[in-house]
Amino acid sequence: KAGVTQTPRYLIKTRGQQVTLSCSPISGHRSVSWYQQTPGQGLQFLFEYFSETQRNKGNFPGRFSGRQFSNSRSEMNVSTLELGDSALYLCASSSKTRVDSYEQYFGPGTRLTVT
Amino acid sequence: SQQGEEDPQALSIQEGENATMNCSYKTSINNLQWYRQNSGRGLVHLILIRSNEREKHSGRLRVTLDTSKKSSSLLITASRAADTASYFCATVRGSARQLTFGSGTQLTVLP
Repeated sequence: KAGVTQTPRYLIKTRGQQVTLSCSPISGHRSVSWYQQTPGQGLQFLFEYFSETQRNKGNFPGRFSGRQFSNSRSEMNVSTLELGDSALYLCASSSKTRVDSYEQYFGPGTRLTVT
Repeated sequence: SQQGEEDPQALSIQEGENATMNCSYKTSINNLQWYRQNSGRGLVHLILIRSNEREKHSGRLRVTLDTSKKSSSLLITASRAADTASYFCATVRGSARQLTFGSGTQLTVLP
């Protein structure tokens, strides 16, 4: 099976702009999550989608939003970009339904630089 | 916020030696997992251990979990230069299907 794919891999945006990142999960995986990784804060959970519904949300401002399509593909959007949004954004998918077995498979990430 | 801390923050060993990394967490968990990340790329899932398990093996990896101490350790035996990477522990808590990561250990294996 093909792994999790993310596009684009690299992105440079200007403060105040908005950006949309895309993620295609492993075939058959219905749960898709997003994480932000920065040197200062480490890996932080953004949100998780399952069957087009947001099930969990991390502690991020409303500028960060996402959605999931019927084919399980997901997008995340960041509006009014700030310098602090520069990060590696990772998408992960899972096929597990039991919480004690829940494990995720990650894509290569999108490196976002805000100038 | 991060669930806990990993120790040490950085570890440098010679090829062929064993590497041990520790992870502590703060609240009760459903499972604990270890991931590897090479140079700012995606994370690779290594192993999962459930809260009712104490030890698991996978190839050269051995994971232990002590829920009374809220800690876990990852042992990589016979390390190779290709094992050079950052290693993260992550926990699943309650009913939320999300990972809460530790701060990571940077492992360097010298040839």
